[in-house]
Amino acid sequence: QKEVEQNSGPLSVPEGAIASLNCTYSDRGSQSFFWYRQYSGKSPELIMFIYSNGDKEDGRFTAQLNKASQYVSLLIRDSQPSDSATYLCAVRTLIKAAGNKLTFGGGTRVLVKP
Amino acid sequence: GAVVSQHPSRVICKSGTSVKIECRSLDFQATTMFWYRQFPKQSLMLMATSNEGSKATYEQGVEKDKFLINHASLTLSTLTVTSAHPEDSSFYICSARDTSGKNTGELFFGEGSRLTVL
Repeated sequence: QKEVEQNSGPLSVPEGAIASLNCTYSDRGSQSFFWYRQYSGKSPELIMFIYSNGDKEDGRFTAQLNKASQYVSLLIRDSQPSDSATYLCAVRTLIKAAGNKLTFGGGTRVLVKP
Repeated sequence: GAVVSQHPSRVICKSGTSVKIECRSLDFQATTMFWYRQFPKQSLMLMATSNEGSKATYEQGVEKDKFLINHASLTLSTLTVTSAHPEDSSFYICSARDTSGKNTGELFFGEGSRLTVL
């Protein structure tokens, strides 16, 4: 089982609709959860992070965390063509021997169609 | 947010040569930097954790003698791919965490370096 799993997509969404991305993780000790956006040929850029159960909203983005079920999701409201990218879920786990470790999922490719 | 700069952004080299990639934190000090590799249409794979003033910690399966990491100062880490071969062609990305309290400790990425080995 992969440590962080995402559906690879592509997730096709009409412009203006809501894109819903999911991510599951295997380590119950995980503490922090991040969503990164990566355009083709570019490095990832941080969209949001969440530490506590529940929802966290930032503009058109909402991150949802459910530690009991070990999943974290990202909603993109009013999707725009410029949102077309690969979205990477990352999970930070504190490992005594290795310190903080950030593990990435495989990414979900999102296509927003005009 | 914090800025991490990586250089060069693209490099093409002949098989058997060595290539050095630099990663700098521009407006914060980073005692720890991370080096990732990303093959086409795949996710980021952590190669090693670079620690200022001490040896890097390599992930399983990453050859430390092939991927030399030096973290000589609080703002600079370098990755040298020694005796590069075509299978080393990849997108190499560094990252650093600003733990000063200004940016809540999230990871910031450099622009990435695309290595092509002929």
